Amino acid sequence: QVQLQESGPGLVKPSETLSLTCTVSGDSITTYYWSWLRQPAGKGLEWIGRIYSTGTTDYSPSLKSRVSMSIDRSKNHFSLRLNSVTAADTAVYYCARGPSALFEYWGQGTLVTVSS
Amino acid sequence: SDVLTQPPSVSVAPGQTASITCGGDKIRIKSVHWYQQKPGQAPALVVYDDAARPPGVPERFSGSNSGNTATLIISRVEAGDEADYYCQVWDSGSDPYVFGTGTKVTVL
Repeated sequence: QVQLQESGPGLVKPSETLSLTCTVSGDSITTYYWSWLRQPAGKGLEWIGRIYSTGTTDYSPSLKSRVSMSIDRSKNHFSLRLNSVTAADTAVYYCARGPSALFEYWGQGTLVTVSS
Repeated sequence: SDVLTQPPSVSVAPGQTASITCGGDKIRIKSVHWYQQKPGQAPALVVYDDAARPPGVPERFSGSNSGNTATLIISRVEAGDEADYYCQVWDSGSDPYVFGTGTKVTVL
């Protein structure tokens, strides 16, 4: 059974960098696309970006200038970095696995609050 | 990029049928996927490629896509179906994953 688990600080100061890791179990990270999404409280879903096992990345145009993703095949996990955060980046962050067009499996989500 | 419009809310009595629409320009030429999100939980895929169901999803969940509207249909609605539902399409453009605005389904 495929399981994804997000981890990282729940509180980040404005202007600093948000860093999250998604650990995958029950599947190898060497196939499929691995994405990050987020959802502000009471709002809809927003795709942040994705990474393939080769390291190839695609990012949302609205976040591209602040986002980077990486993958560690030896640890079967992938990571998100979002720099220069503001209160508008406060959200529940999800990692997800899919073929190219959709999201089959999701992590449980982790709340990240941007506040001083 | 695409804009996918859903009704904010749908109310339905137990045992009845709920229909959730997802409107978008030429959506019929795209594959539409649907997610169910219960309070405090991550989204879960319930229909993909317009009408296919992942393993474990009840047959009560079905989908269709024609014209400028895709529809998720929940037959014989149960209390446990109360959730937010999101449609999603993939486009080969620079912003490939587009979600609908979301619909809250309330079981009366």
